[in-house]
Amino acid sequence: EAQVTQNPRYLITVTGKKLTVTCSQNMNHEYMSWYRQDPGLGLRQIYYSMNVEVTDKGDVPEGYKVSRKEKRNFPLILESPSPNQTSLYFCASSLGQGYRNEQFFGPGTRLTVL
Amino acid sequence: QKEVEQDPGPLSVPEGAIVSLNCTYSNSAFQYFMWYRQYSRKGPELLMYTYSSGNKEDGRFTAQVDKSSKYISLFIRDSQPSDSATYLCAMNSGGSNYKLTFGKGTLLTVNP
Repeated sequence: EAQVTQNPRYLITVTGKKLTVTCSQNMNHEYMSWYRQDPGLGLRQIYYSMNVEVTDKGDVPEGYKVSRKEKRNFPLILESPSPNQTSLYFCASSLGQGYRNEQFFGPGTRLTVL
Repeated sequence: QKEVEQDPGPLSVPEGAIVSLNCTYSNSAFQYFMWYRQYSRKGPELLMYTYSSGNKEDGRFTAQVDKSSKYISLFIRDSQPSDSATYLCAMNSGGSNYKLTFGKGTLLTVNP
């Protein structure tokens, strides 16, 4: 089944404790992206990757890191989480071939930083 | 002015009603327009995809794009309780630009 998976689905942590949220897709997509979704603010892009070893900042990159060492994986790293990073996070992927940029979303990771 | 504006609702309708959801946008470079549906505790899933102006119909759903007015709509006919979800519009300028710009979403509840 074609899908985007994220782990963990739920995470409660404390300020300053480094964490990684994993994202994996099995559709051989080139483009992958991380979003956060907050009430009243909608979906905002954190980082994106056009292909292996190619990443760039989205609209709200502060406090986050990403890496793209393999095509299928795109982990999101919070080196020192803070309470304002409490949010619902989505990973998405697409073929990235230009004319049709349909993005497939993962199930989401709900993060709480105390 | 925000790039994409979408009335957040909430919108509550009786079963069988016709629902109209709308977004306006300011970036004239947008060419590809999408509607995503997001059920509670789930990730968004693509519902409709339209290129440039015009209408597209898929079952009970119709997407309309009016580029001259920078206005897009999603119509749901014979709405069902299973249509209760948040609907997000999204758009993109295409080419090598893969970024989607989303509206904030409209929460729709269809009451049996």
